[in-house]
Amino acid sequence: KNEVEQSPQNLTAQEGEFITINCSYSVGISALHWLQQHPGGGIVSLFMLSSGKKKHGRLIATINIQEKHSSLHITASHPRDSAVYICAVRSDKIIFGKGTRLHILP
Amino acid sequence: DTAVSQTPKYLVTQMGNDKSIKCEQNLGHDTMYWYKQDSKKFLKIMFSYNNKELIINETVPNRFSPKSPDKAHLNLHINSLELGDSAVYFCASSQGIGGVYGYTFGSGTRLTVV
Repeated sequence: KNEVEQSPQNLTAQEGEFITINCSYSVGISALHWLQQHPGGGIVSLFMLSSGKKKHGRLIATINIQEKHSSLHITASHPRDSAVYICAVRSDKIIFGKGTRLHILP
Repeated sequence: DTAVSQTPKYLVTQMGNDKSIKCEQNLGHDTMYWYKQDSKKFLKIMFSYNNKELIINETVPNRFSPKSPDKAHLNLHINSLELGDSAVYFCASSQGIGGVYGYTFGSGTRLTVV
């Protein structure tokens, strides 16, 4: 079993829908990151969380340390949000999830 | 004005060759990283340097040797390339260890070993 599990693996939704991507981990961590990889391959760092919740524009990330779980939400989704979203945790090393491929249909 | 720049963007080479990938950041960050993304798009950390000192060295074959001449540069040299080394290699930087303020990634180097 992977130390970092993301769900769903793939998600297709209509423009405007509220999107939730989940990340569960089984190790003790000092921080969790959400990354976005565009179809062209470029990677952007979205959030770093160690507790609570962060918001940036239409993106919201939450983390529950006790439950070892984080969620990334996208409100009013748009086709330009189509990308792979990757969860990464920092324990004694950096461990990546396998990513969630999101496709937003116009 | 690219913040983290990698060269080359594409590299096609034969098995057994030695090659280098260069990375430079102009953000003033003190920590730099190399990641490998395999054909299944799975990212793995390879190395991390903080102020030119190696702080993360994952189980990477010793054919891979990072070199950090200064805080702004982290190059990756690969000896005796093998087919399984084909992947996209990403360089990244952050201020502080662990990316507390987030990471900035380069655009990747697609290495193809034939």
